[in-house]
Amino acid sequence: DTGVSQDPRHKITKRGQNVTFRCDPISEHNRLYWYRQTLGQGPEFLTYFQNEAQLEKSRLLSDRFSAERPKGSFSTLEIQRTEQGDSAMYLCASSWGRDEQFFGPGTRLTVL
Amino acid sequence: SQKIEQNSEALNIQEGKTATLTCNYTNYSPAYLQWYRQDPGRGPVFLLLIRENEKEKRKERLKVTFDTTLKQSLFHITASQPADSATYLCALDPFGGTSYGKLTFGQGTILTVHP
Repeated sequence: DTGVSQDPRHKITKRGQNVTFRCDPISEHNRLYWYRQTLGQGPEFLTYFQNEAQLEKSRLLSDRFSAERPKGSFSTLEIQRTEQGDSAMYLCASSWGRDEQFFGPGTRLTVL
Repeated sequence: SQKIEQNSEALNIQEGKTATLTCNYTNYSPAYLQWYRQDPGRGPVFLLLIRENEKEKRKERLKVTFDTTLKQSLFHITASQPADSATYLCALDPFGGTSYGKLTFGQGTILTVHP
């Protein structure tokens, strides 16, 4: 397995557009996490899944954000009606239970 | 409110010296504390995990301590090399239930090792 992959690596969009990111975790991992990171800050938790069940969503996350993990495999994160404040690096990570998390390379979103 | 602070935004040291990074937290009772390394434009990479009932953990040139009374973790890199230059992040993992793995990260310390 080559690790966690994310697609696209970069996304530039105009304010008000919808965007969707994909994450492919390490295949045997049951947990999948989404984080957001802005310049000079550590990653900030957004949401996570155990298999296909979404366990928790950060209170900081508005209703414009939604995530899915159909069949407990890959995951998608959608942002509707993007705003300039959504510009950030979106990181996906996976783990087996409480073991260490393996992060993907991230998707850098720029909202113009 | 819960707070995690890595007490230096940047740390500059000479090659061969020991780098010591600090992570302090308040209003938090973590079960696990983790350290990650992040290079520019890349995702974090796991380095070490220490549990709340452990005082010290080592891996090659890396050492982590965890003092739940002081609410502090120290991360040491001995015999530092320029290749160790990166941002180092501490992350706390809460107690119990299904909330494990929901990491809260510090803001990171940028380490630069000069040859």
